[in-house]
Amino acid sequence: NAGVTQTPKFRILKIGQSMTLQCTQDMNHNYMYWYRQDPGMGLKLIYYSVGAGITDKGEVPNGYNVSRSTTEDFPLRLELAAPSQTSVYFCASSYLRPRRPGQGTYEQYFGPGTRLTVT
Amino acid sequence: KNQVEQSPQSLIILEGKNCTLQCNYTVSPFSNLRWYKQDTGRGPVSLTIMTFSENTKSNGRYTATLDADTKQSSLHITASQLSDSASYICVVSADNAGNNRKLIWGLGTSLAVNP
Repeated sequence: NAGVTQTPKFRILKIGQSMTLQCTQDMNHNYMYWYRQDPGMGLKLIYYSVGAGITDKGEVPNGYNVSRSTTEDFPLRLELAAPSQTSVYFCASSYLRPRRPGQGTYEQYFGPGTRLTVT
Repeated sequence: KNQVEQSPQSLIILEGKNCTLQCNYTVSPFSNLRWYKQDTGRGPVSLTIMTFSENTKSNGRYTATLDADTKQSSLHITASQLSDSASYICVVSADNAGNNRKLIWGLGTSLAVNP
């Protein structure tokens, strides 16, 4: 298994440009997530998905959009890039398999990240 | 306000030595506490996950402890190796549903293991 893969690894955008960060997982996980990591800060959740066709906002969704048409793919779209979106973006996945109501497996698997600079 | 604080901010040790990293949290409700290792330029990798009822968990040379009463956790690394050089991040989940929607991330301890 390749796990969670992300493309591209690096990207420089001009202000106002658009791009899509790609994320694919081959572990048949139902949950997928997008985070950003800024220098000196903890990871912040942008969007997450509990399964194909279902997405929801995280802590910092403004300026981003997502879709989940398949179990494997969870692309993140930046429509009008701004310098504040300069960051490292991580995609992650996990499999929720409840053993009892309210309990499940929690482990997340992260991709290698995309370093984005907006100038 | 939910917070996770880690100490020290950075640490340098010699290869072969042991070290202990600390994590204090104020998170409610509490679901579980995780330790991640993040190598430079890579994504975080899970080391341990502990729920409220677990007070110690090991993963090879890594041993995590949890005191839910004092809201403290530690990560002990035994017989350090050069490959242990990384950032170690404490993360607390405030989500009982397990969907990782409410994770409170610490800022990490940067560990350098020197030969």
